[in-house]
Amino acid sequence: DTEVTQTPKHLVMGMTNKKSLKCEQHMGHRAMYWYKQKAKKPPELMFVYSYEKLSINESVPSRFSPECPNSSLLNLHLHALQPEDSALYLCASSQEGLAGRDEQFFGPGTRLTVL
Amino acid sequence: SQELEQSPQSLIVQEGKNLTINCTSSKTLYGLYWYKQKYGEGLIFLMMLQKGGEEKSHEKITAKLDEKKQQSSLHITASQPSHAGTYLCGADRGSGSARQLTFGSGTQLTVLP
Repeated sequence: DTEVTQTPKHLVMGMTNKKSLKCEQHMGHRAMYWYKQKAKKPPELMFVYSYEKLSINESVPSRFSPECPNSSLLNLHLHALQPEDSALYLCASSQEGLAGRDEQFFGPGTRLTVL
Repeated sequence: SQELEQSPQSLIVQEGKNLTINCTSSKTLYGLYWYKQKYGEGLIFLMMLQKGGEEKSHEKITAKLDEKKQQSSLHITASQPSHAGTYLCGADRGSGSARQLTFGSGTQLTVLP
C-alpha cells in the first residue's frame, strides 16, 4: 500500500459546527503533515507530527486542533471556523529517515467550505 | 525564510514541444523537490535533488540542480496532454528530524493537442 487516504473528500460546515478531517497511511511512515492550500496558491505547512508527537505548529489558530492517535492516523479537528478557512486541506507522510531526505507522499485532499 | 521563485507562472505549449520550468532560491538548497498537481487534487512526487550538479530523469521529465545549489530546472521533452497540471518546486528548510517544505508559487502548464 503506497498511498495516503483522506476523508471526507468534500466537507461543508457552518461556523458553529465541529467536524474532523481524517488521514491514513500504511507505509510505515513516522512523520505526518497537514497543509492548507488556497486556490491558485502553493500548499502551506500547518502541523508536523514526528513519531506521533507534534513537532511543528506553524502558528495555526487554535480552532484547528491536530491529533495523531497512532502511527498510521492523523486527524484535524475543526471548531468555530471562519469562511476564510475554506481551502483544500492536504495530508502527507514521509519515512522520517535519520540520514538523507525523504519525499513526502500526499493524499488527495479534503475540500473544505465554511459557510 | 526560504523563498522560492518559479518561472514562468504559466505556460501554454503545443503537444510535442519541449519546455523548461525554473525554480530559484534565495538561499542554498539542501533538498529540492518537484511535484505535480492536478486542480483540486493532491501532489504527485516527481523527483528529489540534493547534490549540486545532480540530474535525474523519469520518463520524459528531467530535473537538474545547479552547482551552486540555488536553482533548479525541470525540462519536459515532447510534451503530451498528460503533462498538463501545476508544477511545484519545494525546498527542505528543516534541520530537525521532520521535513519542512516551502513551496514555490507553481507553474501552470497547458498542453494543446
